[in-house]
Amino acid sequence: QKEVEQDPGPLSVPEGAIVSLNCTYSNSAFQYFMWYRQYSRKGPELLMYTYSSGNKEDGRFTAQVDKSSKYISLFIRDSQPSDSATYLCAMSGEGSARQLTFGSGTQLTVLP
Amino acid sequence: DAMVIQNPRYQVTQFGKPVTLSCSQTLNHNVMYWYQQKSSQAPKLLFHYYDKDFNNEADTPDNFQSRRPNTSFCFLDIRSPGLGDTAMYLCATSFSNYGYTFGSGTRLTVV
Repeated sequence: QKEVEQDPGPLSVPEGAIVSLNCTYSNSAFQYFMWYRQYSRKGPELLMYTYSSGNKEDGRFTAQVDKSSKYISLFIRDSQPSDSATYLCAMSGEGSARQLTFGSGTQLTVLP
Repeated sequence: DAMVIQNPRYQVTQFGKPVTLSCSQTLNHNVMYWYQQKSSQAPKLLFHYYDKDFNNEADTPDNFQSRRPNTSFCFLDIRSPGLGDTAMYLCATSFSNYGYTFGSGTRLTVV
């Protein structure tokens, strides 16, 4: 079993739809949870960063962490064609365990 | 803008011919990482430098080496590339494992 599981998609939605992306994990030591967006042939860029459980909102993006279920989500409201990319979840622990562990990414296409 | 720059963006090399990828940063971060990302897969950490200390992942092949001559630069050397080494190679930096910043990557093709 992988430490971090992420549905690879691909996921296609019409412009304006609400998108839900999810990851599950097995390591209870993870405390920091991130979502990265990766456009084709580019490096990942940090989108959202959350510590421990709870919600965080930034514009059209909302990140949720449920540590009891070992489940994290990213919601995109009013999705735009420019949101078309691969979304990678990543997580890490404390101290020396702060190396990132990535999910395999979900490929999202928002159709105009 | 402070950033992480990787060169070249694209590299084609022959099977068994040594290749070097470079990464430079203007962020003054003390940690630099090299990741390998194959198509539709998660980035896989190869090794990282925490300041001058080199840390190799247990499953990183011996074929892969790294150098960090100073704070700003880090190199990935692949001594004898195989076809299975075709991938995107990502350099990242952080300040003591907080706040990773990635470069745009080098897409390596071994033929």
